[in-house]
Amino acid sequence: AQSVTQLDSQVPVFEEAPVELRCNYSSSVSVYLFWYVQYPNQGLQLLLKYLSGSTLVKGINGFEAEFNKSQTSFHLRKPSVHISDTAEYFCAVTRAARNTPLVFGKGTRLSVIA
Amino acid sequence: DAGITQSPRHKVTETGTPVTLRCHQTENHRYMYWYRQDPGHGLRLIHYSYGVKDTDKGEVSDGYSVSRSKTEDFLLTLESATSSQTSVYFCAISESGGGPYEQYFGPGTRLTVT
Repeated sequence: AQSVTQLDSQVPVFEEAPVELRCNYSSSVSVYLFWYVQYPNQGLQLLLKYLSGSTLVKGINGFEAEFNKSQTSFHLRKPSVHISDTAEYFCAVTRAARNTPLVFGKGTRLSVIA
Repeated sequence: DAGITQSPRHKVTETGTPVTLRCHQTENHRYMYWYRQDPGHGLRLIHYSYGVKDTDKGEVSDGYSVSRSKTEDFLLTLESATSSQTSVYFCAISESGGGPYEQYFGPGTRLTVT
């Protein structure tokens, strides 16, 4: 079975500063990895995904993530955050090449301070 | 945006009453999922469906049942609601037959059991 640990439950950061949201996963088989964002009172929206190939994945809104197999990590980064990035971010994993349900981390609440 | 609607969007009910939540999709996707979201727990899978009349349990299925008689509809039933089932419920869908298997989420249903 797969599992995900998001290492920070809350991350405060000043506007225009860089941010990294950390995600580690556990799996004995190959995986696909995802980051989702949830704005207040909304559903989840896909930010980016890693399936295979290049380990650096670019997503929407200027976010990117790097897959590191040796460290079993998939950290999300943005070089300069905006107030509008304030939201909850979820890392998720599923077994590669199988349509099995995603397993989600507990989420990281990003608060951007003006 | 994926064509997913959930009804009702908000519901308050009393302990011991039955409740049915509906998820409707217009994408003709094979897979449908029900999650609950609670503070500090992220999203946890309740049940999912991999086809009409084909369903399976998730991590937190006790006290819930599901039905899928048509591709487009996936119903979640709380047979006898309890206060511990107060939560936000999200439906999700995903494609089949080769991936990439990311899930698309509905807007959620906020359920309060008093």
